[in-house]
Amino acid sequence: EAGVVQSPRYKIIEKKQPVAFWCNPISGHNTLYWYRQNLGQGPELLIRYENEEAVDDSQLPKDRFSAERLKGVDSTLKIQPAELGDSAVYLCASSLVGLGETQYFGPGTRLLVL
Amino acid sequence: RKEVEQDPGPFNVPEGATVAFNCTYSNSASQSFFWYRQDCRKEPKLLMSVYSSGNEDGRFTAQLNRASQYISLLIRDSKLSDSATYLCVAQVNQGGKLIFGQGTELSVKP
Repeated sequence: EAGVVQSPRYKIIEKKQPVAFWCNPISGHNTLYWYRQNLGQGPELLIRYENEEAVDDSQLPKDRFSAERLKGVDSTLKIQPAELGDSAVYLCASSLVGLGETQYFGPGTRLLVL
Repeated sequence: RKEVEQDPGPFNVPEGATVAFNCTYSNSASQSFFWYRQDCRKEPKLLMSVYSSGNEDGRFTAQLNRASQYISLLIRDSKLSDSATYLCVAQVNQGGKLIFGQGTELSVKP
């Protein structure tokens, strides 16, 4: 079974530029999560979707970050404009709420803002 | 104060050693607990869930003390391949966000 797919794997941009990350969850998983992991820290949730609905976006910096999960499958996370402090690894995870509910993580997108 | 706190690392141990990681959580509403493993530049992967009665998976034993809000992971007979960062995780609601500790780095040497 294919795991969580993310692209791109690496991205280098200059500050104030926009950037977008894409995630395709494990087939059939209804819940999708975006986490951010800073160097030397554990991941922190940015947003959680149940199907198409964002049910927890309390930690998403809404002035510059946006996300969508059209059709309740794949998802895009966008930053516009990027700041130096946004350099981190952006991890997507998915789970099937109601059955096991283990969160499986994708390989992440490593973002460097110069 | 972080919601989940772990022992600072790194832990450097010889092969065959027994090593213990400790973790505390501050939210008493937390219901589920896990240990995740993260290899260098890789994604976190579930190592094991942690149950109140304690649970074992081969060389790995996890314990939970709800009264003290304390979680532990014991690794016996350490292997070189155990070298990784171990993340302590709490979760309030099923399907909800995972709250990670900062991780403890383990390095097993020959």
